[in-house]
Parts: sequence; structure tokens; C-alpha cells
Amino acid sequence: GESVGLHLPTLSVQEGDNSIINCAYSNSASDYFIWYKQESGKGPQFIIDIRSNMDKRQGQRVTVLLNKTVKHLSLQIAATQPGDSAVYFCAEIVSGNTGKLIFGQGTTLQVKP
Amino acid sequence: EAGVTQFPSHSVIEKGQTVTLRCDPISGHDNLYWYRRVMGKEIKFLLHFVKESKQDESGMPNNRFLAERTGGTYSTLKVQPAELEDSGVYFCASSTLSSYNEQFFGPGTRLTVL
Repeated sequence: GESVGLHLPTLSVQEGDNSIINCAYSNSASDYFIWYKQESGKGPQFIIDIRSNMDKRQGQRVTVLLNKTVKHLSLQIAATQPGDSAVYFCAEIVSGNTGKLIFGQGTTLQVKP
Repeated sequence: EAGVTQFPSHSVIEKGQTVTLRCDPISGHDNLYWYRRVMGKEIKFLLHFVKESKQDESGMPNNRFLAERTGGTYSTLKVQPAELEDSGVYFCASSTLSSYNEQFFGPGTRLTVL
């Protein structure tokens, strides 16, 4: 069925290290894969997305990798900072749907000073 | 530019009562979405408006939920009568028609049904 999941509920990293947050998805018919960041008391905030015809996309300090063979998505954050502490969600949009996001369960990133 | 706003930020009601949540999308955004997150679970889609029309309401849990977007601007989500399992955080998001992959979320309304 349609589902997007994350491998780990919590990830703890040292400030300055790189973070890798993983996500497994099951629907091969998705157009977009998106990463959201949610800080306490706020709504999800768009970080970066990737289309299904790409395998890598870079933003500012973030990189998203898409492996369609194993249906795996990852978010890499370089030089993790305390402000990166939040819950990270991956989501997908299935082809033909104009925006219905299917979310995974979220990974809490904790940055240790 | 103002972001997506939602009102109220918190609502505590008793089972059987009615609650209406409001969402004001970013000006010019024709797409408006409602999502909710119940305790410990993932964020789930409820429905999608394009302007004033319901494009997809496949996520609405039952007929106790009624969403409207009269005039194609702000939207309301009414729960009547509320049940305990309706407790959670209700998010609204908006986007332009072409950039539906980049949705802007509001801060959410935390609904507690006692």
C-alpha cells in the first residue's frame, strides 16, 4: 500500500558532524519526494525536494539522495548545528495527485553541543 | 509576506461539542490542504481545495468533518460532534497551483477533546 517510513525514530549527533536521516518508501509511482523539518510548536517547514527522475539534489548544507532501486530516500545535513534540532519527515506525492502528501513517521534529530 | 495562519492555536472541548478551525493561506495560493497528526502517529492528509472546489477529500475520516472554502480564500474545518479520537494537531498548508510540491504549512491547531 501507500506508505512512507523512516528507519530510526531518534538520531543524536555531535555539533559539527554530518547527519544522515533515512526513509524507506513503498510506492513506485511517486513524482516527488520531499523533506520537511518541524520545530517544536511550529508547522512542518519545506527543506528540499527531489523529482523521481533524479537521484541527487543539493541545497544549502543539505543533500537529498534517491535510490529508486531499493526505494530509499535520505537527507544529509552537513556540519550539523544546534538549530538543526527538530523532527524531520519525509513525504511523497504520488503521480496524478496534485499535492496530497504522504508522510512518514518522523525522525527526531538531537544535536549535542 | 505573511505565512499561513491558523486559528485558534489551541482548543479544548468536551466530547459532543462542535469546533471550527480556520486557516488563512498565503495570498494568491489556490491550493489549500488540511492535514492532521494524532498522538504519536504520522501526519495524515485530510483534503485538498483548489480555489473553492474540493479536489480530493479522500482523507476525511467521516461525516462529522466538514470543510469549506467559500470564495476561495480562507478555509474552515468543522468537527461536529467531536469525539475523543479527534484530538490531535490540525495543520493547514497552501501552495500555488504549479508548485504543489512546495507546500507552506501553518503552525497548526492543537485540538483536545475531553
